[in-house]
Amino acid sequence: LAKTTQPISMDSYEGQEVNITCSHNNIATNDYITWYQQFPSQGPRFIIQGYKTKVTNEVASLFIPADRKSSTLSLPRVSLSDTAVYYCLVASVMIYNQGGKLIFGQGTELSVKP
Amino acid sequence: GAVVSQHPSWVICKSGTSVKIECRSLDFQATTMFWYRQFPKQSLMLMATSNEGSKATYEQGVEKDKFLINHASLTLSTLTVTSAHPEDSSFYICSARDVGSRTEAFFGQGTRLTVV
Repeated sequence: LAKTTQPISMDSYEGQEVNITCSHNNIATNDYITWYQQFPSQGPRFIIQGYKTKVTNEVASLFIPADRKSSTLSLPRVSLSDTAVYYCLVASVMIYNQGGKLIFGQGTELSVKP
Repeated sequence: GAVVSQHPSWVICKSGTSVKIECRSLDFQATTMFWYRQFPKQSLMLMATSNEGSKATYEQGVEKDKFLINHASLTLSTLTVTSAHPEDSSFYICSARDVGSRTEAFFGQGTRLTVV
């Protein structure tokens, strides 16, 4: 499994766009990049997943450069309720197909201030 | 999205007793479920992989006799913390994957275990 590196913490203000970058230098050809959000005392919640270029859903955008050695989760116009820990995971599609395990890194604690 | 439900959400038990935590996939079948433990201000640590109809696979350092896992059906896995001690107090989270989904894992809401 490719190891990921994220900033430990980030601060932002309401209404700002927040970009969290994750490094995964050893990403393999079959690996997907997935981001999860976790609030205190809750299980992680799926945010977005991508393989290359850009992916956008109703919650966030995910930017992946051509070399795929990093990815950036973009949260538009954050609110106080976006205060949470964000995890970047890299795992092979084979892991998903075969029920393989997901290993979490340390995550980024995002604090949104009024 | 799919729903994974854990029960109970929180439990307090006396040292030396055993506690069972249930993890259910409510609207999909999960051949594989995962159990994680999370201490305050730390990331999720994978404890074991629970496979329906077979023995669980434990991560290195996790005592299989202490953390008993049973995955009797495609929608239910249980984790029993045997002879619990205060150091077992933690947040336990299960995860399940839909056999029909290639890309997404779903997580339960977690169980807060406090051993007194």
